[in-house]
Amino acid sequence: AQSVTQPDIHITVSEGASLELRCNYSYGATPYLFWYVQSPGQGLQLLLKYFSGDTLVQGIKGFEAEFKRSQSSFNLRKPSVHWSDAAEYFCAGGTNRDDKIIFGKGTRLHILP
Amino acid sequence: GAGVSQSPRYKVAKRGQDVALRCDPISGHVSLFWYQQALGQGPEFLTYFQNEAQLDKSGLPSDRFFAERPEGSVSTLKIQRTQQEDSAVYLCASSLSNTQYFGPGTRLTVL
Repeated sequence: AQSVTQPDIHITVSEGASLELRCNYSYGATPYLFWYVQSPGQGLQLLLKYFSGDTLVQGIKGFEAEFKRSQSSFNLRKPSVHWSDAAEYFCAGGTNRDDKIIFGKGTRLHILP
Repeated sequence: GAGVSQSPRYKVAKRGQDVALRCDPISGHVSLFWYQQALGQGPEFLTYFQNEAQLDKSGLPSDRFFAERPEGSVSTLKIQRTQQEDSAVYLCASSLSNTQYFGPGTRLTVL
């Protein structure tokens, strides 16, 4: 069955430190992959997406993610986090059959001053 | 409009009441999705429309949940005889080119 897994429920980093949030997928073919961010009381905002081509994708707010087929991973990175990055981050996957996507359970990012 | 809008943003219902949640998608987006998000969880798929056709309703938790999109634009999610377990945030998304864009959600609290 298709699935998206985010192994870390909570991550805490200091402001200015680098960040990596993990995402693993299980799909029969190369999936479409997404990262969304959700601030408290808000909807989900698209950070970036991967469909095909260059495996390193750039997104908004200084985020990037790398698709690694050999590891079935699509980890999100940022070189230097800001206090405003504190939020819930969701990885999601889909296919080209339709527009449906499956979400991971999310990783809550905490920022230490 | 600039984005997906949902109304109301907050809804408090007494157990047993019926509620209706509205979603206005981005103009021109053919696909529309409804999700349920429980506290501390990721969004769970409820149902999916392409234009006015409901292509998949496999995620609706019971026959008390009903969704429609009669003219292929605005959609309404209706929950009949609400139960406490229906308390959640209901998210709507519209899609273009395999990418979903989300509204702010409706937080439903059933007392």
